[in-house]
Amino acid sequence: GENVEQHPSTLSVQEGDSAVIKCTYSDSASNYFPWYKQELGKRPQLIIDIRSNVGEKKDQRIAVTLNKTAKHFSLHITETQPEDSAVYFCAASKNSGYSTLTFGKGTMLLVSP
Amino acid sequence: DAGVIQSPRHEVTEMGQEVTLRCKPISGHDYLFWYRQTMMRGLELLIYFNNNVPIDDSGMPEDRFSAKMPNASFSTLKIQPSEPRDSAVYFCASSLGLAGLTDTQYFGPGTRLTVL
Repeated sequence: GENVEQHPSTLSVQEGDSAVIKCTYSDSASNYFPWYKQELGKRPQLIIDIRSNVGEKKDQRIAVTLNKTAKHFSLHITETQPEDSAVYFCAASKNSGYSTLTFGKGTMLLVSP
Repeated sequence: DAGVIQSPRHEVTEMGQEVTLRCKPISGHDYLFWYRQTMMRGLELLIYFNNNVPIDDSGMPEDRFSAKMPNASFSTLKIQPSEPRDSAVYFCASSLGLAGLTDTQYFGPGTRLTVL
C-alpha cells in the first residue's frame, strides 16, 4: 500500500519567515495530494490540494509543489503569522476506485512573534 | 449544513466498559470514514463506508472494535471492552466520493476518549 513520509516533524520560524514542509510517497499511481491544517484541539481542515496534472498551485500565502518523477510534494507558507501555528498533514491517494487517503505523521509548525 | 457532527466530544471511561462513539455525516455525502489519532501513530484510517456499506475495515485494530452505519445519516464506532491503549481522539469524516473533485474529506470535531 501507499506510504507517506513527512519532514520535518517540528518546524520553528520567526513571524514573516517562510516555512517549507516536505512529503514523499511510495505509490507512483497516487495522483491526489491534499494538505490539512489542524489547530490545537480542533479538527483537521483542508487548506490546499494538488492533482497530478499540475506541478504547482498557489492560494495567497500558501503554495504546493509536486514532483511526480521524484514522488515528492511540498507545502510552502510565505510571510508566516502566529495564526499559522498548527500541525500540518500531507496525504496521498490514487483518487479512483476504492483508494483512500494515506496521511503523513504531521509537522508541528510554531511561528514566534 | 452543520458539517460532520460527532458525539460525545469527550468520553472518560474505565477499562472493560463499552464505549460508543457517534457520527452524523454531511447530508448527501456517500462516504464516511472513521480515523484514530494518537501522537505515536498519527492519523489512522480504521474503516470506511460507501452508501452505508463497510468497504474496508482492515484498519480496525482488533475484534473489540466494531462499526455500523444503519442509515445514511448515522454511524457508530463501538469498543467493547475498552482498554487504556484505546485512549485517543477519534475522528469521523465524510466525502461526496473518492475520485475526481468529490474526494475532499470533511472532518468532524472528534471525540477525545480516555480509558482509565
